[in-house]
Amino acid sequence: AQKVTQAQTEISVVEKEDVTLDCVYETRDTTYYLFWYKQPPSGELVFLIRRNSFDEQNEISGRYSWNFQKSTSSFNFTITASQVVDSAVYFCALSEGGDDKIIFGKGTRLHILP
Amino acid sequence: DAGVIQSPRHEVTEMGQEVTLRCKPISGHNSLFWYRQTMMRGLELLIYFNNNVPIDDSGMPEDRFSAKMPNASFSTLKIQPSEPRDSAVYFCASRGGTGRFQPQHFGDGTRLSIL
Repeated sequence: AQKVTQAQTEISVVEKEDVTLDCVYETRDTTYYLFWYKQPPSGELVFLIRRNSFDEQNEISGRYSWNFQKSTSSFNFTITASQVVDSAVYFCALSEGGDDKIIFGKGTRLHILP
Repeated sequence: DAGVIQSPRHEVTEMGQEVTLRCKPISGHNSLFWYRQTMMRGLELLIYFNNNVPIDDSGMPEDRFSAKMPNASFSTLKIQPSEPRDSAVYFCASRGGTGRFQPQHFGDGTRLSIL
């Protein structure tokens, strides 16, 4: 069975600090897909990034970076030089190769304090 | 480009009333998903469609819930009769392309309150 664990329920950091959001997944498939979504206070869900199980390259997009490690079944998300606008709930999600469904973690609520 | 469009954005109604939530997926997307989000249970998949055909409705909580997709550009989620425990944010998402690597794109959600 597939499962996504975001152990950090809530994190608060001061603006300009770096912060890492953890995501650990479980799956028996060799082909799977990982996603991160952002839900700002306004409530919408915004797609941030996707990764397939065959691509372990880390990715950087501006202040955002993602570290995918199959050896530890983790797909962590780091925000560098955090800003107040980064305050949101962040969801990690997993889809197995043979399934249309995405399983979401419980989310991490991130507070960036001015 | 237009994203997924949901209506209404907010709905407040009394228990026992029928509620209909609407969704217009992104043009060209062939999969549509309905989710419910609550504090207690997080994001739950209710039902999804591929090419307008319901594939998995195992997440629909009760027979009071039903969903339809009469064509590629429109879907409804109906609750009849509604109950206070149905209060939640309901999201619609669509996915295009070929393969499950494509991300789901979400609408802004409908915040439903049943009094």
